[in-house]
Amino acid sequence: GQQLNQSPQSMFIQEGEDVSMNCTSSSIFNTWLWYKQDPGEGPVLLIALYKAGELTSNGRLTAQFGITRKDSFLNISASIPSDVGIYFCAGGYGGATNKLIFGTGTLLAVQP
Amino acid sequence: GAVVSQHPSRVICKSGTSVKIECRSLDFQATTMFWYRQFPKKSLMLMATSNEGSKATYEQGVEKDKFLINHASLTLSTLTVTSAHPEDSSFYICSAYSVYSNQPQHFGDGTRLSIL
Repeated sequence: GQQLNQSPQSMFIQEGEDVSMNCTSSSIFNTWLWYKQDPGEGPVLLIALYKAGELTSNGRLTAQFGITRKDSFLNISASIPSDVGIYFCAGGYGGATNKLIFGTGTLLAVQP
Repeated sequence: GAVVSQHPSRVICKSGTSVKIECRSLDFQATTMFWYRQFPKKSLMLMATSNEGSKATYEQGVEKDKFLINHASLTLSTLTVTSAHPEDSSFYICSAYSVYSNQPQHFGDGTRLSIL
């Protein structure tokens, strides 16, 4: 199935550091979403973006919908141990069914 | 916020058994439900899209006779893995969406299926 290219694949950082990850696609999307998944659980929505160029924050998280509609990034500032997990981007086509295509994921490990 | 409940959370059964997984939207009416499969350390792969009252739309490569999906009401969809074999072992996750809201898909907590 189709997947988005997400990088980096994994990150090992010290508590307090800032983190940046991004997603790129060959297709245009109408929405970009960022999710976090903990082991054995379903993804939890972090940020939803609905317009090209949109920059949205949720606490220490900031995400942007790329102008070309083919990419998005997520930044986490001042990381803490509970930020550990797998982060997924997802591109959406909108419309009646709102089908999503997921990125390959970024594993984040935070050293206290 | 919207809540999606998935049951069971974990199931272990013998090869050849059929297994049913339920996905319920608890506080909203889901016009569309999605079923995903996730292998260890991999991303979510969409298996099928299910609209209430109509047949599911399967992604390429997903056997519809193997993975039966029923979406009989606006709050319940079921995925039945028929005659399951060890290669069907995986983490299955559902999500729910309402065309009447401006909310993205909400995900269940997944079902860990292990076929012996």
